[in-house]
Amino acid sequence: KAGVTQTPRYLIKTRGQQVTLSCSPISGHRSVSWYQQTPGQGLQFLFEYFSETQRNKGNFPGRFSGRQFSNSRSEMNVSTLELGDSALYLCASSLDGRGGNEQFFGPGTRLTVL
Amino acid sequence: DQQVKQNSPSLSVQEGRISILNCDYTNSMFDYFLWYKKYPAEGPTFLISISSIKDKNEDGRFTVFLNKSAKHLSLHIVPSQPGDSAVYFCAASAIGFGFNKFYFGSGTKLNVKP
Repeated sequence: KAGVTQTPRYLIKTRGQQVTLSCSPISGHRSVSWYQQTPGQGLQFLFEYFSETQRNKGNFPGRFSGRQFSNSRSEMNVSTLELGDSALYLCASSLDGRGGNEQFFGPGTRLTVL
Repeated sequence: DQQVKQNSPSLSVQEGRISILNCDYTNSMFDYFLWYKKYPAEGPTFLISISSIKDKNEDGRFTVFLNKSAKHLSLHIVPSQPGDSAVYFCAASAIGFGFNKFYFGSGTKLNVKP
């Protein structure tokens, strides 16, 4: 069974630009969560999607948005990029999003904002 | 507001000895706890979990202890091996909440010396 895939793996953008990251969950998984990882801050929860609906949202500004398609693939968009958005963005999938189910993480997208 | 804290950013241990990684949380609603292991350039992988109805869970060389009154959990690795060198994240969730919202600590980088 293929794991969680994320594209692209690396991305360099400049301030003010926007970026779209993609995540393909494990086949059969309907829940996709997004996290931002920065040094010293651990993984900060961005949002979770289930059946094309955003069910949970973390404390990030509205510049961060996402969506989920009918095949459970998810995209995350960041508009008006700031230097502080440089981070590793991880997505994780699970069967149905219930708190007791294990999350499987992708390798992440390393975003650098110059 | 960091609801899950790992106060030791790094830990160095000799091969064959015990590694003890600590994690504290503030939210008494948390009832499910997990440890993830992360190698560079890879996403976190699930290691072991514990429900709040238990105070210990063991899986091979890995044991997680939960002290609810102190809001503290720890991961013991015995014996430690060089392949255990990685960043370890603890995470907490409130299963009663129903959805996949996990709060992660900032991670502890474990170095097991041969």
